[in-house]
Amino acid sequence: DIVMTQTPLSSPVTLGQPASLSCRSSQSLVYSDGNTYLSWLQQRPGQPPRLLIYKISNRFSGVPDRFSGSGAGTDFTLKISRVEAEDVGVYYCMQATQFPYTFGQGTKLEIK
Amino acid sequence: EVQLVESGGGLVQPGGSLRLSCAASGFTFSTYNMNWVRQAPGKGLEWVSFISSSSNAIYYADSVKGRFTISRDNAKNSLYLQMNSLRDEDTAVYYCARVSVGIAGADYWGQGTLVTVSS
Repeated sequence: DIVMTQTPLSSPVTLGQPASLSCRSSQSLVYSDGNTYLSWLQQRPGQPPRLLIYKISNRFSGVPDRFSGSGAGTDFTLKISRVEAEDVGVYYCMQATQFPYTFGQGTKLEIK
Repeated sequence: EVQLVESGGGLVQPGGSLRLSCAASGFTFSTYNMNWVRQAPGKGLEWVSFISSSSNAIYYADSVKGRFTISRDNAKNSLYLQMNSLRDEDTAVYYCARVSVGIAGADYWGQGTLVTVSS
């Protein structure tokens, strides 16, 4: 199975400041079709997960442009350019390149 | 508007069975692959099972293989998860999630249904 490792596990951020969340996979996430099926999900308190970014860097419908994804191969990053209060929650990376799909353990974004 | 509504959760004793349902609306259900994903209380996300649009490809996590069965009824726009031989560690909120071609993973998620396995 592909192991997804997220760092940090907790990220206290000042409102209006940037945040950077990392995700590393135990093996390459490049699929045979050339795509890399790495997604980022946000889970606000008491809510189901919500897709933010798919295929490393594509923002999903309705996602603010302060969210951006980057990376390649086994190392990936989610950046929030200016953190807002509504961004509080847990962020998960997820790989869908190979079954079983696997998630990182999550990074909790908190406001300082 | 895409909507996924899970139902069927509840309290069940260890060794018991439960059948979860997910009612889909707002999209052509029969053309989308679907997942079940669960989240134990206070824990992270765990993928459970995948079914293709025509049910010809099905996958399970090792933790549920042989005990859970995923299925769908495209005529009823519904996804199911039959859970047998339930264990304490199956206690979780169970989410159904849609898979879009070109996105993979899961783009839309339901609100979830809580399954509690306890004596």
